[in-house]
Amino acid sequence: DVKVTQSSRYLVKRTGEKVFLECVQDMDHENMFWYRQDPGLGLRLIYFSYDVKMKEKGDIPEGYSVSREKKERFSLILESASTNQTSMYLCASTMNTGELFFGEGSRLTVL
Amino acid sequence: AQRVTQPEKLLSVFKGAPVELKCNYSYSGSPELFWYVQYSRQRLQLLLRHISRESIKGFTADLNKGETSFHLKKPFAQEEDSAMYYCALGHTGFQKLVFGTGTRLLVSP
Repeated sequence: DVKVTQSSRYLVKRTGEKVFLECVQDMDHENMFWYRQDPGLGLRLIYFSYDVKMKEKGDIPEGYSVSREKKERFSLILESASTNQTSMYLCASTMNTGELFFGEGSRLTVL
Repeated sequence: AQRVTQPEKLLSVFKGAPVELKCNYSYSGSPELFWYVQYSRQRLQLLLRHISRESIKGFTADLNKGETSFHLKKPFAQEEDSAMYYCALGHTGFQKLVFGTGTRLLVSP
């Protein structure tokens, strides 16, 4: 079974703090994604990566950056967290089959 | 621009009733459509895709290019179908998906 693991299930941070969300997949997938999931807004793509050190902006990249130094790991970085970044963050990976494999999610609260 | 519309935030039915979750899309190319499901306290997972034309857990979905729709249907809903359902649109080549806002299906006994 494909496993996508997000290191933190729940985080509480203060406004202005730097936040790292880590995601690791174990199936050698080329493509990895970060979405945020908000009630009434569905899933919105923040960033994606189709290869090591390659990244592309999604629909809502403002306030976020990403890092992909190794194929299996894709990190989402909030340089200076703000309250409007309180959300559920979902990492996913795929091997161009159309089936995304999702992590369990990281629920971030910014106070 | 690619867009997916799911007009219903909540769909509430009784067990045994038919279910139809609506999905409309906007895309000028050749679309690939998917339904994803998230059960309570579980991760989001693929339910079915139009290209496979299969029935999963009794659910089917037919791509109607004329109406740009990909509605999810099940003739007899079960309580275990209660979940959040997302319609998603992709295109051939690269698998970046655009998701709809989701419909919560609640099946009551």
